[in-house]
Amino acid sequence: DQQVKQNSPSLSVQEGRISILNCDYTNSMFDYFLWYKKYPAEGPTFLISISSIKDKNEDGRFTVFLNKSAKHLSLHIVPSQPGDSAVYFCAASVGNNRLAFGKGNQVVVIP
Amino acid sequence: DVKVTQSSRYLVKRTGEKVFLECVQDMDHENMFWYRQDPGLGLRLIYFSYDVKMKEKGDIPEGYSVSREKKERFSLILESASTNQTSMYLCASTLVGSLQGLYYGYTFGSGTRLTVV
Repeated sequence: DQQVKQNSPSLSVQEGRISILNCDYTNSMFDYFLWYKKYPAEGPTFLISISSIKDKNEDGRFTVFLNKSAKHLSLHIVPSQPGDSAVYFCAASVGNNRLAFGKGNQVVVIP
Repeated sequence: DVKVTQSSRYLVKRTGEKVFLECVQDMDHENMFWYRQDPGLGLRLIYFSYDVKMKEKGDIPEGYSVSREKKERFSLILESASTNQTSMYLCASTLVGSLQGLYYGYTFGSGTRLTVV
């Protein structure tokens, strides 16, 4: 049973516009949420994370929003750049245990 | 920076061969993981290890085994490679009980693209 779900497998967006990626989870015990970015033929790299005690975390062009009551988080990329074209994985953990990953969203930024 | 190094970027093996994928991390992490990534299926956990000589099955362990004789090294073994094991294999590690582990999660290697023909 998948605990972390990413719908809309792919997203195309014009350069300069906002990219919004969504992630839903089922386990209310999750207390840390992370986003990873993956280019083809490379391993995933950490992008941004958020603790369950917060509802927003921002790092440059990347902002993650957490809505605990809805068990939903989203990643906003503003403005989108061609180098943001990648697969984005949402992940969640309880304490420092195993991460549960979503299936990923392919983002294509059109120049 | 933590480094997780996978010994091969690309491998081509024949059906029935025994295949070894090696992973080494340099930051004394207790936990190490092997995933495979396939289009539309995301990251699927094969095996993980919490300590030397300890291993736990993940979600898709069939056809695989692992070895962890030293803390820094975690090997994935395909006992008899089959074409359905063609995939991108990713190794990861993390430090248990640390803010770093909580905040950054796993550190991944660059991956090994395995093709079984």
